[in-house]
Amino acid sequence: AQSVAQPEDQVNVAEGNPLTVKCTYSVSGNPYLFWYVQYPNRGLQFLLKYITGDNLVKGSYGFEAEFNKSQTSFHLKKPSALVSDSALYFCAVRANTGGFKTIFGAGTRLFVKA
Amino acid sequence: GAVVSQHPSRVICKSGTSVKIECRSLDFQATTMFWYRQFPKQSLMLMATSNEGSKATYEQGVEKDKFLINHASLTLSTLTVTSAHPEDSSFYICSARDSGRGSYNEQFFGPGTRLTVL
Repeated sequence: AQSVAQPEDQVNVAEGNPLTVKCTYSVSGNPYLFWYVQYPNRGLQFLLKYITGDNLVKGSYGFEAEFNKSQTSFHLKKPSALVSDSALYFCAVRANTGGFKTIFGAGTRLFVKA
Repeated sequence: GAVVSQHPSRVICKSGTSVKIECRSLDFQATTMFWYRQFPKQSLMLMATSNEGSKATYEQGVEKDKFLINHASLTLSTLTVTSAHPEDSSFYICSARDSGRGSYNEQFFGPGTRLTVL
C-alpha cells in the first residue's frame, strides 16, 4: 500500500534563510512524487514532480526537491524563504504500476517570519 | 494552462437538504476526476474516483448513496451530498486528470467548495 509521511506539522523559518519540508514515502515499485501548496480556502497548486532522471527536481517559485531512493525521501527545499511562502505544503505519491490514485501526506504548515 | 473550476465556492444549507457541487475542466478533457474531502488542518482524503460514462469508484468508508457522483461528460463531474447533516460540513476539492497526458503527470485541482450544514 502507498503511504506518505510528513513528520513535521509546522516548520518555522526566518525570511532569507533556507527552508526544508520533509517527506518520506512508501510505495511498491518506482514512485511518482509530487509537491503541492495550498493557501487558505484554496485548492492545491502544483509545485514540482519527480518521475525519473535527475534526483534534484526544480519547480515553481524557486522550490526544488531531492529524490533519495535509499532513504525513500523527497524533501522540499528553497535556498531563501519568503514571507509569501507561508502556506500548507503537501507531499504526494503515486505508484507507477498503473492507475492514477494519488496519496497525500498530512501536510506541513510553513511559517516564514519577516 | 490546465484550469479546473468548482461551483459553488461556498454553500450553506439546512440539515436534510441536498447540495450539488460541480467540477469542470475548462481547457482540457478529463476522463477521470477525483473528489477529495479536507477537514480543518488535515490532509486531503480521497472520496471517490469519477470516470466519464461509468460508475464512480468509492474509497472504503465513503457512502456511495450519501455522496452521489456523476461524470456525464469529459469536462464535468458533479458531487451531490444527499440529506446533508452538520458532520458533512467540510471543504470539498475536485481534481482532474488531463486525458491527453501520461499517467505520470500531476492532477489539476479546483479551488474547492466550502460546505456548511446548519
